[in-house]
Amino acid sequence: SYELTQPPSVSVSPGQTAIITCSGDDLGNKYVCWYQQRPGQSPVVVIYQDTKRPSGIPERFSGSNSGNTATLTISGTQTMDEADYYCQAWDTRTLVFGGGTKLTVL
Amino acid sequence: QVQLVQSGSESKKPGASVNISCKASGYTFNYFPLNWVRQAPGQGLEWLGWINTNTGNPTYAQGFTGRFVLSLDASVSTAYLQISSLKADDTALYYCARVAKGYSDYGNWYFDLWGRGTLVTVSS
Repeated sequence: SYELTQPPSVSVSPGQTAIITCSGDDLGNKYVCWYQQRPGQSPVVVIYQDTKRPSGIPERFSGSNSGNTATLTISGTQTMDEADYYCQAWDTRTLVFGGGTKLTVL
Repeated sequence: QVQLVQSGSESKKPGASVNISCKASGYTFNYFPLNWVRQAPGQGLEWLGWINTNTGNPTYAQGFTGRFVLSLDASVSTAYLQISSLKADDTALYYCARVAKGYSDYGNWYFDLWGRGTLVTVSS
């Protein structure tokens, strides 16, 4: 079965750039989206179709996808960005989530 | 208000069954597929499958056939997840989630609206 691999944790200082990766076989040929999940809350999509940002999501969130790796970048990270982040893609009509990355802002 | 309202927490013994509901409001129910996702305590997201809100036809993720049944009552804009023969490792928060752009582009869906989740605890 298809797998998406994320680092378990990423740490960043406030104001710095956070980069969260998501790896999968030939991932660049699939659409990737990213969800943010704050503690005790439901997930919220922050990036869809690799690079698109839903309305209401701050411009500091951006995404890219090429080769075997998709990347979520948070520029000028704020303390409110501390959360778990999950990538998601489809493989042969099966939805797959990455294992999640805990972003710590300290 | 566009929302998915899920039923309340459930506590069950192993071997029992549970039925979780997800009521949609604020939008046309049959325009958007509904998916189900679970999250075990402290763990990541796991996709269970989806239901066609026009036909009621379910599609299950690998590993979620048999004990898991997706259904709906379109007359009340509500989808259901029934889990039978509950096991301890079914303990999780179960979410329903709406596909963002309806039925187009199947295979590239993402979710723009989530319920708040229903906690199912299975313990003897």
